[in-house]
Amino acid sequence: GAGVSQSPSNKVTEKGKDVELRCDPISGHTALYWYRQSLGQGLEFLIYFQGNSAPDKSGLPSDRFSAERTGGSVSTLTIQRTQQEDSAVYLCASSPGTSGFQETQYFGPGTRLLVL
Amino acid sequence: AQSVTQPDIHITVSEGASLELRCNYSYGATPYLFWYVQSPGQGLQLLLKYFSGDTLVQGIKGFEAEFKRSQSSFNLRKPSVHWSDAAEYFCAVGAKAAGNKLTFGGGTRVLVKP
Repeated sequence: GAGVSQSPSNKVTEKGKDVELRCDPISGHTALYWYRQSLGQGLEFLIYFQGNSAPDKSGLPSDRFSAERTGGSVSTLTIQRTQQEDSAVYLCASSPGTSGFQETQYFGPGTRLLVL
Repeated sequence: AQSVTQPDIHITVSEGASLELRCNYSYGATPYLFWYVQSPGQGLQLLLKYFSGDTLVQGIKGFEAEFKRSQSSFNLRKPSVHWSDAAEYFCAVGAKAAGNKLTFGGGTRVLVKP
């Protein structure tokens, strides 16, 4: 079946612009995660959505970062006033949402963001 | 807070040789441990995971990992490497206290020589 998809696959933007990154989770998965993969910082958790519960935003690095999940499916990660240090690969993952932290997370191919 | 260390940034191995990737974790209680692989241009794919029970875990693609509580380690092994195993490998830990987020190690990039 279809896996996690992300768009765009690559995004180049100028410093100060806003960007939106999209994630389509696996159908039926109620849990959705965003991670960031950057040189020097490795893979970092950003935010986690589970059903209708309030998201866990503890990994968001600043208030320029926000995410929403509409209709319990598609999620958008928004970065406002982008900075060069935001350049990274942004990975989305989803899981069934029935077994909590023990679940396997299925990752998308990522969006590679370059801020000039 | 939990943490994960992968001491080897790069490993080069000849095709057909054995491979072992090291992973050390820090966490007060029993962690939930994962190994993921990331091939060039691909997302992360789960190789195997350990929650409890038998400390030797079998995964996909011929990989296995052994949980050693006394050494706080979860090393990944493969007896005979194929050229297609060239990729970056990430060890990760999850914990009930940390919610559903995974904490990843820095990764080990594996190069396979013909």
